[in-house]
Amino acid sequence: GNSVTQMEGPVTLSEEAFLTINCTYTATGYPSLFWYVQYPGEGLQLLLKATKADDKGSNKGFEATYRKETTSFHLEKGSVQVSDSAVYFCALSENTGGFKTIFGAGTRLFVKA
Amino acid sequence: GAVVSQHPSWVICKSGTSVKIECRSLDFQATTMFWYRQFPKQSLMLMATSNEGSKATYEQGVEKDKFLINHASLTLSTLTVTSAHPEDSSFYICSGAGDRNYEQYFGPGTRLTVT
Repeated sequence: GNSVTQMEGPVTLSEEAFLTINCTYTATGYPSLFWYVQYPGEGLQLLLKATKADDKGSNKGFEATYRKETTSFHLEKGSVQVSDSAVYFCALSENTGGFKTIFGAGTRLFVKA
Repeated sequence: GAVVSQHPSWVICKSGTSVKIECRSLDFQATTMFWYRQFPKQSLMLMATSNEGSKATYEQGVEKDKFLINHASLTLSTLTVTSAHPEDSSFYICSGAGDRNYEQYFGPGTRLTVT
């Protein structure tokens, strides 16, 4: 079945450091890929998405490229801020009759001032 | 972007009582709504998928008689936790999908505590 694997956290960085959170997936078809962010005590917010191979999603300085050859969708940001501290979820969605989305386990990011 | 609201945002109830959580799509028609459960520091677990006017499809291991889902309109779905017990305490999140771009819009979540 379809699945998403992302790096375990927590990840602790200093402000302005470079961030990479790895995400790989397995899927039978051609899924859309997403990164969601969850701030403490809140629901999920869509951070960025890519719907086909080689697409690059970007938002708020974050970006991720849909790599079909390596089945990956790694999240990167060149310079993190304290306000980026949150849990990041990689996810995929296929049209299996209901847009079912499968989430990775989540990676908690702490950014220190 | 599309907005989904949930009500209440948090609720405390006594063991044995039932609790209803509402999920509304405010500016789009959600033909499909999803209900998730999230345990502390864990990922989201899909509980069920519902299409407007149809019975919900529950994931394996989710008791349909305990977690009643109703999707009566294109903007409202409800989850009722019946005869709640402390182990039902969790963060419940709904989402709605309105078109074929495979994107879901999430509500802010409802924290349920059963005492």
